[in-house]
Amino acid sequence: QITLKESGPVLVKPTETLTLTCTVSGFSLYSARMRVNWIRQAPGKALEWLAQISPNDEKAYSTSLKTRLTISRDTSTSQVFLTMTNMDSVDTGTYYCARAEMASVSFDYWGQGTLVAVSS
Amino acid sequence: DIQMTQSPSTLSASVGDRVTITCRASQSIISWLAWYQQKPGKAPKRLIYKASSLESGVPSRFSGSGSGTEFTLTISSLQPDDFATYYCQHFDNYSWTFGQGTKVEIK
Repeated sequence: QITLKESGPVLVKPTETLTLTCTVSGFSLYSARMRVNWIRQAPGKALEWLAQISPNDEKAYSTSLKTRLTISRDTSTSQVFLTMTNMDSVDTGTYYCARAEMASVSFDYWGQGTLVAVSS
Repeated sequence: DIQMTQSPSTLSASVGDRVTITCRASQSIISWLAWYQQKPGKAPKRLIYKASSLESGVPSRFSGSGSGTEFTLTISSLQPDDFATYYCQHFDNYSWTFGQGTKVEIK
């Protein structure tokens, strides 16, 4: 059974750095043609892609946010991390990790999401 | 970057109606398009991939079509469980893009 589960702080202060963890099971982070992504959604807004990490550790970032984002992984614990620096109230929202299946070029499995609020 | 434009942004319909949502790409994306359904408080769920391939377990009233720059998601007979927000999605050049979403509301 394939699952992804996000974890991290519920509340962060403006200017702080957010670190989120995605713990995957049922597949390996080395799986060919599978990539783990972070996607977020502000309240009442559309989905916004943030970052991706590939089996060979290649990383990709949203053009608009790349200066603030770092995606990394720990294959021994099957975890993918996202750090976002200089958090602001506009970064409030639900953060999802999702598995991209490159054969279909789409996201076939999603985590439940973790809600992050940015407030002082 | 390729832009994905969905229309309409909101759609009011009744149970049993045929519903069509459109997604336009700013340049040709061949058939690399997926559709997702999202209900409030839930993660998106894949419905369609490669423009017209139906995800396993998704009811056959959902269908996708199109190629190049224009794509459609059709619900042949809207059911109560289908009231949700729908998103199209594309991947190109190490970047993933979602449409703005279409909310299907009860008329």
